[in-house]
Amino acid sequence: DAGVIQSPRHEVTEMGQEVTLRCKPISGHDYLFWYRQTMMRGLELLIYFNNNVPIDDSGMPEDRFSAKMPNASFSTLKIQPSEPRDSAVYFCASSRQGWRDIQYFGAGTRLSVL
Amino acid sequence: AQSVAQPEDQVNVAEGNPLTVKCTYSVSGNPYLFWYVQYPNRGLQFLLKYITGDNLVKGSYGFEAEFNKSQTSFHLKKPSALVSDSALYFCAVRGYSTLTFGKGTMLLVSP
Repeated sequence: DAGVIQSPRHEVTEMGQEVTLRCKPISGHDYLFWYRQTMMRGLELLIYFNNNVPIDDSGMPEDRFSAKMPNASFSTLKIQPSEPRDSAVYFCASSRQGWRDIQYFGAGTRLSVL
Repeated sequence: AQSVAQPEDQVNVAEGNPLTVKCTYSVSGNPYLFWYVQYPNRGLQFLLKYITGDNLVKGSYGFEAEFNKSQTSFHLKKPSALVSDSALYFCAVRGYSTLTFGKGTMLLVSP
């Protein structure tokens, strides 16, 4: 199994531009999580899906952030418009049985908004 | 709401010596506890978890953790540290419908 795959690994963009981060979870995993990691705030949950349905998006910082999961093998996290304070590492993770189960993390996307 | 505290930002240990990375938690009900490790430029990797049973949990790479209900602690331990153990370690506790991570502890093992 290739594990959780995220793309791109690095993204540099200018303020105001749209940014789309992509994630392919492990096959057979019903839960998908998006996290953001910064030095100041540590690891924060943004949103999670169960069977492609968003369950809790209370961690999404603003309306500029949106996430979709059109099928069991693909999810996107979009920021529009992007701002310098969005600069962080964004992780996607998946698990079979939700919060009591092991989460498998992707390598992350390092986003820099100039 | 649940919470996790990792009181040390950094732990320094010499190779071959035992190591301990501390974690305390607060949660309603029975705790589900996890340790994850993050190497540079990588995502988090699962090390071990406690759900129920034996208070001493064994995990990957020779790590183990001791669950102490009375002290609400779940400290990570290894009898003999390796330089390759140098990484960022996260403790996490499962609440009602989420997983709360600590701030992380950087472990530095010197040769």
